[in-house]
Amino acid sequence: DGGITQSPKYLFRKEGQNVTLSCEQNLNHDAMYWYRQDPGQGLRLIYYSQIVNDFQKGDIAEGYSVSREKKESFPLTVTSAQKNPTAFYLCASSIQGPLYGNTIYFGEGSWLTVV
Amino acid sequence: KNQVEQSPQSLIILEGKNCTLQCNYTVSPFSNLRWYKQDTGRGPVSLTIMTFSENTKSNGRYTATLDADTKQSSLHITASQLSDSASYICVVSARAGTASKLTFGTGTRLQVTL
Repeated sequence: DGGITQSPKYLFRKEGQNVTLSCEQNLNHDAMYWYRQDPGQGLRLIYYSQIVNDFQKGDIAEGYSVSREKKESFPLTVTSAQKNPTAFYLCASSIQGPLYGNTIYFGEGSWLTVV
Repeated sequence: KNQVEQSPQSLIILEGKNCTLQCNYTVSPFSNLRWYKQDTGRGPVSLTIMTFSENTKSNGRYTATLDADTKQSSLHITASQLSDSASYICVVSARAGTASKLTFGTGTRLQVTL
């Protein structure tokens, strides 16, 4: 089945530790995105990528890093510089970037908790 | 500043009843408006997408309306089912040159009960 796969579903991070969230899509979409969702707030864009080996900062990129070495994959690293990382993280993709007129498809999300 | 406001924040209705969710936006220049359904702990799923020229669009029991003059949209759910219990998110796209930027509402949490 075509879709977006995020892993792990649940992740716990210790203080000062970097963690990486995986996102893989087999929809042959050019554009991929990472969003963060906090209770009572709308989704906020962390990073997005329109093509392989290119990515752009979103509204809340500080403390996060990404890579886009393959079309299908867009991993997100939450670094120790992100002071409040506990949230629900959503990976998404669309046929083409940058978001123009295309429906965005979301993965199932990953819960990150700081312990 | 682009903003999307949704109301009510939460809503409880009996199974079989209808309901209407509201979305007001101050996004310019407007490109399109989308409604997503998000089950708890899952990713959002697209219900409808509406452009400037469209007033109404239906997807099964879901009907979205758009008034571009007043910058308002509504999502009407007919004959609600227990499976409709979810958050409904309004997303407005603003055109910026050849790009566009999405602004997400905070969602309306709907609970359908017996």
